[in-house]
Amino acid sequence: LAKTTQPISMDSYEGQEVNITCSHNNIATNDYITWYQQFPSQGPRFIIQGYKTKVTNEVASLFIPADRKSSTLSLPRVSLSDTAVYYCLVGDLGSSNTGKLIFGQGTTLQVKP
Amino acid sequence: DVKVTQSSRYLVKRTGEKVFLECVQDMDHENMFWYRQDPGLGLRLIYFSYDVKMKEKGDIPEGYSVSREKKERFSLILESASTNQTSMYLCASRPTGIRDEQYFGPGTRLTVT
Repeated sequence: LAKTTQPISMDSYEGQEVNITCSHNNIATNDYITWYQQFPSQGPRFIIQGYKTKVTNEVASLFIPADRKSSTLSLPRVSLSDTAVYYCLVGDLGSSNTGKLIFGQGTTLQVKP
Repeated sequence: DVKVTQSSRYLVKRTGEKVFLECVQDMDHENMFWYRQDPGLGLRLIYFSYDVKMKEKGDIPEGYSVSREKKERFSLILESASTNQTSMYLCASRPTGIRDEQYFGPGTRLTVT
């Protein structure tokens, strides 16, 4: 299973764009890249998922270069409520089975006023 | 909305006790997971199940067992609780398919004294 490396922590200010990069040098052909967000005392929440190029939803964008050895989660115009831990996961979802995913330590994002 | 519920938010048990943590999901998901979360270690997968009566070990299964007799319910069992099993336990479920969006419960904070 591909291991991921991401910064332990990041600081930002309200209204700024935040980019969190994740390295996954050993990503396999069938692996997808998924990001989760976790607030204190809550379970993680799915943010976005992609395989290659760029994916955008109402919450974030995910940029994946051609070699897929890294990915960048982009949060536009963050607010104080975006303060959370962000996890990057890589795994093979499989066609019919579960596809085990590995959660790393995550990146603690602190948004300041 | 998908709902994943866990039987307790907080639990205190004594060393050597048998502990049952229950998880129920209401979306007919095939896959269910048990994680534990400890400071500095992120989420670690204990066991998962991709069907009724099916189970597979995760990364840290030692000291734990699981039971899945019904599709909606996945139980984590600590046969003889020890102090090093004091942790936050998170249950998750997800449907089988190409998009891995795991839905997490609120977590159970277990303290073993």
